[in-house]
Amino acid sequence: AQSVTQLDSHVSVSEGTPVLLRCNYSSSYSPSLFWYVQHPNKGLQLLLKYTSAATLVKGINGFEAEFKKSETSFHLTKPSAHMSDAAEYFCVVSDWDTGNQFYFGTGTSLTVIP
Amino acid sequence: KAGVTQTPRYLIKTRGQQVTLSCSPISGHRSVSWYQQTPGQGLQFLFEYFSETQRNKGNFPGRFSGRQFSNSRSEMNVSTLELGDSALYLCASSLDRTAYEQYFGPGTRLTVT
Repeated sequence: AQSVTQLDSHVSVSEGTPVLLRCNYSSSYSPSLFWYVQHPNKGLQLLLKYTSAATLVKGINGFEAEFKKSETSFHLTKPSAHMSDAAEYFCVVSDWDTGNQFYFGTGTSLTVIP
Repeated sequence: KAGVTQTPRYLIKTRGQQVTLSCSPISGHRSVSWYQQTPGQGLQFLFEYFSETQRNKGNFPGRFSGRQFSNSRSEMNVSTLELGDSALYLCASSLDRTAYEQYFGPGTRLTVT
C-alpha cells in the first residue's frame, strides 16, 4: 500500500537560510513522487516531480529534491528561503498499481521569519 | 493553455440540500480527479474519471458521486449535505491515467450550515 509521512508538521526558518522539508514514502512498486505547494486560499501548485529518471530533481523557485530509494525518502530543499516561500507543502506518492491516484502527506507548514 | 477551472468558487448550503460542483480540465487532459481538503483529515481522494468512466474511488459514502462528459469536463454531486461536508473541494486534471503529474484548480469552498 502507498503512503506518505511528512516528518514535520511545521518548519520555521529565517529568510536567507536553507529549507529542509522531510518526506518518507511507502510504495509497493516504483513510485512517482511529487512536491506540491499551497498558498493560503489557493489550489496546489506542482513544485517538482520524480518519475524514475534522475534521482536529484530540480523544480521551480529554486527548490530541489533527492530520491533515495534505500531510505525511502524524498526530502525537499532550498538553499535560501524567501518570504514568498511561506506556504503549506505536500509530498505525494503515486504508482502504476493505483493508476493516477495520489496519496498525500499531511503537509508541512513553512514559516519564513524576516 | 488555460488552467483547471472550477465553479463556483464559494458555496453556502444548508444541511439536507444537495450541491453540484463543476470542473473544466486543461485542454487535452483526459483524466480528472477530485479531492476533499479539510483541516482535520487533510487531502483525501474522492474519485477519478477517465474517458467518462470512473476508474478509481476513495473511501467516501455514496452521497458523493461524479461524472465526466465527452469533453472531459467533470461534475461532482453531494446529496443530503451534512455539516462535515464543509471543505475545500479540489479538482485536478492530468494528461492520462498513468502516474503523470496532476494540475489542480483553485477549488470550491463549500460551507454547510
